[in-house]
Order: sequence, then C-alpha cells, then structure tokens
Amino acid sequence: GQNIDQPTEMTATEGAIVQINCTYQTSGFNGLFWYQQHAGEAPTFLSYNVLDGLEEKGRFSSFLSRSKGYSYLLLKELQMKDSASYLCAAYNDYKLSFGAGTTVTVRA
Amino acid sequence: ETGVTQTPRHLVMGMTNKKSLKCEQHLGHNAMYWYKQSAKKPLELMFVYSLEERVENNSVPSRFSPECPNSSHLFLHLHTLQPEDSALYLCASSQEGASSYNEQFFGPGTRLTVL
Repeated sequence: GQNIDQPTEMTATEGAIVQINCTYQTSGFNGLFWYQQHAGEAPTFLSYNVLDGLEEKGRFSSFLSRSKGYSYLLLKELQMKDSASYLCAAYNDYKLSFGAGTTVTVRA
Repeated sequence: ETGVTQTPRHLVMGMTNKKSLKCEQHLGHNAMYWYKQSAKKPLELMFVYSLEERVENNSVPSRFSPECPNSSHLFLHLHTLQPEDSALYLCASSQEGASSYNEQFFGPGTRLTVL
C-alpha cells in the first residue's frame, strides 16, 4: 500500500521561511513531486526529486532522502500569494500517490 | 486553448441523472488520468489511460465509467451517483516513457454536487 504523511496546516509570517515535511512508505518509488494548489484551482507543478539532496529553484527548494523515505519543501521569503495547499506525491511508474496536502497560511 | 481543459467547471445533479465530464489536453501527451479530490483527503487516482488503453482502475464503483476515444480526450460518464460522490474531479495528462520527466499537468477540475 501507499502511505504519504504531511502536516495538515502551517501558518507563517510574510517574509519568513516555512518547511513542509513529507514522509512516504510506498511499494515502488521513482521520485517525489511537490505541487501547489490554490483554493478552487488546479494543482501546479513545483518540483520533482529523483536523487537524494537539495534542489533549489528560486524561493522554493525541495529535499529528498530515499533511505529515510523523507522529503521537505522549503519556502523562503514568504509572500501572501504563497498561501495555498502544498501536495506531496510519491511517483512510481505512471502513478502518483498523494498526501492530503498542507495548507499554508501567510499572514502580514 | 492551452494545457488541460475540463468542462463543465461546476455540475449539480440528482441521483437519477446521467451526465458526463469532459477533459481535453493540448500538450501532445500520451497518458491521461481521472482523480477525485474530497475535502481534507488526498487526491484519489480513479483511472489511468496510456495510449488510449485503460491501464488502471482503482476499484472505482461502476457508476463511474471512463472513456478515452483518442489521446487528447477523456470522458467520465456518471450515472446513479450518491451524495458522497460530491467532490472535485480533476483530469491530468503526462508524457510517459523512459526518457520523460513524467510531470502530470492538471486541469482546473469539475466541482460536482450530487443532491
């Protein structure tokens, strides 16, 4: 079976840093996706990690440890528009197994 | 049109109605997906089509019937639904293959309410 865990909610202040953790236990694993989903909109791609380590892309970075079944998404210099749900998804063959999502609220 | 489009965006139906959701991808991808998203729950994969062949059916009740007439179009036919089927139904597409990045692109979803 697939088990993807991430916190339900996080709150941070504009300009701060927030780290969203994700742990996964899956039968088969090719890589780890992070998606952003604003309320009422489609999920949009943020990052994809295949190898261990940190991948930085502007204000967003994603980390993967395959041996620990662990990933995190780091959001820096938070802006109000970053308020959204962040979805962790483990990829195996053609299938994505999603966590329930972490709702991040950015306050002024 | 660009990306993945879905129609209708909102649908209200009774339990005895028959309706269809439509998805179209303009990305030249070879795989398409239906997901169900309920409040506070993970996205649930319902069906996967690769090269127009159904390769995954995740124990979805028969009141949901998918159809993939070509690589650009995907339908979800609905009949005799239950109130618990109310959710956001998302379509996605991707390019599958050994050298592909495999990112799934999502449509905006159809918000379905079953009365």
